Amino acid sequence: DIQMTQSPSSLSASVGDRVTITCRASQSISSYLNWYQQKPGKAPKLLIYAASSLQSGVPSRFSGSGSGTDFTLTISSLQPEDFATYYCQQSYSTLGFTFGPGTKVDIK
Amino acid sequence: QVQLVQSGAEVKKPGASVKVSCKASGYTFTGYYMHWVRQAPGQGLEWMGRINPNSGGTNYAQKFQGRVTMTRDTSISTAYMELSRLRSDDTAVYYCARAVVVVAATRFDYWGQGTLVTVSS
Repeated sequence: DIQMTQSPSSLSASVGDRVTITCRASQSISSYLNWYQQKPGKAPKLLIYAASSLQSGVPSRFSGSGSGTDFTLTISSLQPEDFATYYCQQSYSTLGFTFGPGTKVDIK
Repeated sequence: QVQLVQSGAEVKKPGASVKVSCKASGYTFTGYYMHWVRQAPGQGLEWMGRINPNSGGTNYAQKFQGRVTMTRDTSISTAYMELSRLRSDDTAVYYCARAVVVVAATRFDYWGQGTLVTVSS
């Protein structure tokens, strides 16, 4: 099984801050990496797919990068509606579409 | 517009089974895999498996092999996830999610609203 890790597990930031979240896979997954945002009591929402492609309707302040084992989600200027938990997910192995443990972004 | 509407909350006793439905609308049901993901209270997302609504073929996470069954009824564009021999640690919100596959890359672009399953004696 491919294991996914994320860092940090949580962070506190202010509106307008640049925020970076890191995701690492236990083996190379090429660019088969997605990012989701989840707010309390809601279903996850797709933000980024194939490591760096922005899902339709998602603000351009969200961006993704990386390939192989190391990936990054960046929010260029944090907005009030961005306080949420963020999950990475690998889609390299169809035997298990593993998610990372999540990174909670809250207000400083 | 694409919508996935799941069945309502369930309370089950340990050892029982639960069957959650996911009704799809706004797209061709047989054209997209349907996946199931669960989330225990305060925890992260856990992939359970997927079904090809066209063929009925399934793939399950090893953890759930032997306990989970995913089916579909194409006549009503509905996918089902049944989990048997429930334990207290199966208490979770269960989501269905539509998968888009482009150049072998899968992403979950639409999700159901979630179904809370509580397992308690």
